[in-house]
Amino acid sequence: DIVMTQTPLSSPVTLGQPASISCTSSQSLVHSDGNTYLSWLQQRPGQPPRLLIYKISNRFSGVPDRFSGRGAGTDFTLKISRVEAEDVGIYYCMQATQFPYTFGQGTKLEIK
Amino acid sequence: EVQLLQSGGGLLQPGGSLRVSCAASGFSFSTSAMGWVRQAPGRGLEWVSIMSSSGDYIRYADSVKGRFTISRDNSRNTLYLQMNSLRADDTAVYYCAKESVITTAFDYWGQGTLVTVSS
Repeated sequence: DIVMTQTPLSSPVTLGQPASISCTSSQSLVHSDGNTYLSWLQQRPGQPPRLLIYKISNRFSGVPDRFSGRGAGTDFTLKISRVEAEDVGIYYCMQATQFPYTFGQGTKLEIK
Repeated sequence: EVQLLQSGGGLLQPGGSLRVSCAASGFSFSTSAMGWVRQAPGRGLEWVSIMSSSGDYIRYADSVKGRFTISRDNSRNTLYLQMNSLRADDTAVYYCAKESVITTAFDYWGQGTLVTVSS
């Protein structure tokens, strides 16, 4: 199975400041079709997960442009340019390149 | 508006069974792959199963293989997860999710169904 490792596991951030979360996979996420199926999800307290970013860097419909994703191969990053109060929650990376799909452990974003 | 409305869960004894359903609306269910993801209390997300739009391609996590069965009724726009031989470590909130052909990610999620397995 592909192991997804996120850092940090907790990220206290000041409102209006940037935040960054890293995700590393135990093997390349490049699929045989040439795509890299790495997505980022946000889970606010008491809510189901919500898709933010798909295929490394594509923002899903309705996601604010302060969220961005980048990376390649085994190393990926989610950036929030200016954290807002509504961004509090747990962020997960997920790979869908190979079965079983696997998630990172989650990174808890909180406001200082 | 895409909606995935899940059935209620419950408290089950070890060895028990439960079927959870997920009623879809607001998109073309019959052309969408659908899956299940679970989350144990206070823990992260764990992928459980996925089924292709036509139902001819199914995969399971090793932790549930042989005990859980995913199915769908495209005429009723409904996804199911039949859970048998339940164990304490199956205790979790179970989410159904739609997988998009475009994103190949779970782009819409149900509200979750809490399944508790305890004697």
